[in-house]
Amino acid sequence: EVQLVQSGAEVKKPGESLEISCKCSEYSFTNYWIGWVRQMPGKGLEWMGLISLGDSNTRYSPSFQGQVTISADKSISTAYLQWSSLKASDTAMYYCTRPQVPASGDWYFDLWGRGTLVTV
Amino acid sequence: DIVTTQSPDSLAASLGERATINCKTSQSVLYSSNNKNYLAWYQQKPGQPPKLLIYWASTRESGVPDRFSGSGSGTDFTLTISSLQAEDVAVYYCQQYYSTPITFGQGTRLEIK
Repeated sequence: EVQLVQSGAEVKKPGESLEISCKCSEYSFTNYWIGWVRQMPGKGLEWMGLISLGDSNTRYSPSFQGQVTISADKSISTAYLQWSSLKASDTAMYYCTRPQVPASGDWYFDLWGRGTLVTV
Repeated sequence: DIVTTQSPDSLAASLGERATINCKTSQSVLYSSNNKNYLAWYQQKPGQPPKLLIYWASTRESGVPDRFSGSGSGTDFTLTISSLQAEDVAVYYCQQYYSTPITFGQGTRLEIK
């Protein structure tokens, strides 16, 4: 079964750094983009950005540009979301997700990780 | 940025009733060159990630029950559940993917009356 496997829950203090990961279960994922979506407690979905696993081409939402870094390691089909200095307002569930059609630019998402809860 | 707004924020309907959720985008998400509306619908149950229901405004994802349907074009869209089942209790989101930043509606909470 194709899956996105996210790293475990994190509890951090303000000012600390953090990297969470999203590992794709199939090598063919290198043709895909991976997206990150934030969901603050009791709130809706917010798109943070996308990265191409193939060439690490990245697109950020203006709301998150400069606040986080999205990166990828093609060799292990893994995408990352990084903070250099966490704030209490970063407390949220973070989902990684994959568009249904690889490399198409049609960004509706049919595969989701189970989420990583970050508590600051 | 395209603003995506849903209505209502919450909705209660009886089992077997029709439930309708609306989504409005601040500009058209219809791409004229392929005549496709770049709009999707998701269902999120408590403690779970979102689940894709509908894409291209009206194409049902594989495995989604046919009581779920999507309609609309341009800036106004609707998700309809034709006969509400207990397992449909969830929050529903629309999402435009016509342009980045991708934007989601604020969500509509659907409950059983």
